[in-house]
Amino acid sequence: QVQLVQSGAEVKKPGASVKVSCKASGYTFTSYDINWVRQATGQGLEWMGWMNPNSGNTGYAQKFQGRVTMTRNTSISTAYMELSSLRSEDTAVYYCARAISGSGSYIFFDYWGQGTLVTVSS
Amino acid sequence: DIQLTQSPSFLSASVGDRVTITCRASQGISSYLAWYQQKPGKAPKLLIYAASTLQSGVPSRFSGSGSGTEFTLTISSLQPEDFATYYCQQRGTFGQGTRLEIK
Repeated sequence: QVQLVQSGAEVKKPGASVKVSCKASGYTFTSYDINWVRQATGQGLEWMGWMNPNSGNTGYAQKFQGRVTMTRNTSISTAYMELSSLRSEDTAVYYCARAISGSGSYIFFDYWGQGTLVTVSS
Repeated sequence: DIQLTQSPSFLSASVGDRVTITCRASQGISSYLAWYQQKPGKAPKLLIYAASTLQSGVPSRFSGSGSGTEFTLTISSLQPEDFATYYCQQRGTFGQGTRLEIK
């Protein structure tokens, strides 16, 4: 069965960086884009960007341009999201999600990781 | 950028009720809309994609409709496990969510 398993909770100081991993199993890792979505406590879902595990191509939401980097290691079917220059407003649960996409604007997320809580506090 | 506006933001209903949640897009998006259910402390779960296609394993009491700029998610007969927050999504945009609570 398809599974996305994320790394554990992190506590970081303002200005630091965090790197969250997302290990895929149960399907061919390079066949589907991985997207990252975050959710602050009590708030809605916020899309951060996507990565194609086959090519390594990425696309980031404008809000995170320059601060986020999405990478992968295909040998271990793992995607990574690194966010730098952390501030308190980045405290949130970060999710990876497998994307199904087609022509035009057809994109949805059929499998999600369990989430990783990142707390930014001095 | 496309914006998605859900209504209502909060909904109180009883087991057995029929409920409808609306998602309006700021511009036409054909049928490129998905719906998710999220329970506290859990990841979102895909319910419907392409506006009206039920994801495998999702109960048939859930249905979606619409195209262009107006979409609806309907639960035909609420069950206790349906009380959750629901989000619509189109590409990198999510609606603000509709919290469905027990009356």
